[in-house]
Amino acid sequence: DAKTTQPPSMDCAEGRAANLPCNHSTISGNEYVYWYRQIHSQGPQYIIHGLKNNETNEMASLIITEDRKSSTLILPHATLRDTAVYYCIVRVGPHTGGFKTIFGAGTRLFVKA
Amino acid sequence: DAGITQSPRYKITETGRQVTLMCHQTWSHSYMFWYRQDLGHGLRLIYYSAAADITDKGEVPDGYVVSRSKTENFPLTLESATRSQTSVYFCASTPGTVATGANVLTFGAGSRLTVL
Repeated sequence: DAKTTQPPSMDCAEGRAANLPCNHSTISGNEYVYWYRQIHSQGPQYIIHGLKNNETNEMASLIITEDRKSSTLILPHATLRDTAVYYCIVRVGPHTGGFKTIFGAGTRLFVKA
Repeated sequence: DAGITQSPRYKITETGRQVTLMCHQTWSHSYMFWYRQDLGHGLRLIYYSAAADITDKGEVPDGYVVSRSKTENFPLTLESATRSQTSVYFCASTPGTVATGANVLTFGAGSRLTVL
């Protein structure tokens, strides 16, 4: 699985958009980008995933560059409850074998009032 | 109850003792995983399993043993616990069969292990 690079920490004002970058310059054509977050000491929680196109769900938006070497997770209106560690992961889809999922260090997002 | 459950949630043991952490999921997911998370650090994969009787090493397998005789259970055993294995352990599962690539991992609540 491709490695990812994320900033160790970021701050965001409450109510503003939080934009979390992820670099995955060695991503392969069949690898998806996934985002998870971990609030305090809870188990990580899935947020969103994508292959090529931008994706949006009720939690966030995922913007993937055209060359797929980087992506940005956008929390449109961050709240204090969004303070967490955010993990960007790239991995293959289900029909290419192997679901070994490696997490990096993630980005610690602090949402401030 | 549906979901993925870990037990025990908290465990204190002594160096050299055997400890088994249990993980149970009710979805019949093919894939299951064990991660450890040390204070202030990210998740590191210990072992994972693609199906019953199929397991494979992750990033940090030394000192751990796993088995998967039934699809729904994936126990993690520390045969002789060491202080360096003090950590929070997370179990996760994923279907492994969804065509859209949405092999989303669902995590348990974690098991906090302290080795004295």
